[in-house]
Amino acid sequence: KAGVTQTPRYLIKTRGQQVTLSCSPISGHRSVSWYQQTPGQGLQFLFEYFSETQRNKGNFPGRFSGRQFSNSRSEMNVSTLELGDSALYLCASSSRGLQETQYFGPGTRLLVL
Amino acid sequence: GIQVEQSPPDLILQEGANSTLRCNFSDSVNNLQWFHQNPWGQLINLFYIPSGTKQNGRLSATTVATERYSLLYISSSQTTDSGVYFCAVGWNTDKLIFGTGTRLQVFP
Repeated sequence: KAGVTQTPRYLIKTRGQQVTLSCSPISGHRSVSWYQQTPGQGLQFLFEYFSETQRNKGNFPGRFSGRQFSNSRSEMNVSTLELGDSALYLCASSSRGLQETQYFGPGTRLLVL
Repeated sequence: GIQVEQSPPDLILQEGANSTLRCNFSDSVNNLQWFHQNPWGQLINLFYIPSGTKQNGRLSATTVATERYSLLYISSSQTTDSGVYFCAVGWNTDKLIFGTGTRLQVFP
């Protein structure tokens, strides 16, 4: 089976812009979760989607949003970008949810100038 | 919320050496996972181990949930073991909380 894929791999944006990141899970996996990794805050949970419904949400402002499509692919959107949003954004997938082995994609590196 | 602490924060080893990484957590969990992040940022799941002991080649892990800690053992280290090791914990379907990681460098 193909692994988790994320696009784009690298992205440069300026403050105030918005960005959309995409994650395609392993075939058959219905749970997709998103994480932000920064040197200062480490790995932080953003949200989890399962069968097109947001099931869990971390402590991030409303500028961070996501959705999941019927084929389990997920997108994450960040509006009104701030310098502090520069990070590695990782997504993970699993069959049933966070309570089992998580398989991570390679990540999207976002730089906000 | 649950606090997760990992120790040591940094570890430098010569090839062939053994090491033990520790993960302490502040509350009851029934979901604990160990990951290795390589220098390119890819996170690889090593173990799903909410309790008990598991082994996979040169790696093994033990979780004592009642005492709120987990250990990851790496034997006969290789340079390819370098990277950052994270533990992540949770309860049922709740969000995963990651520790701050242990950065391992293995030199030939």
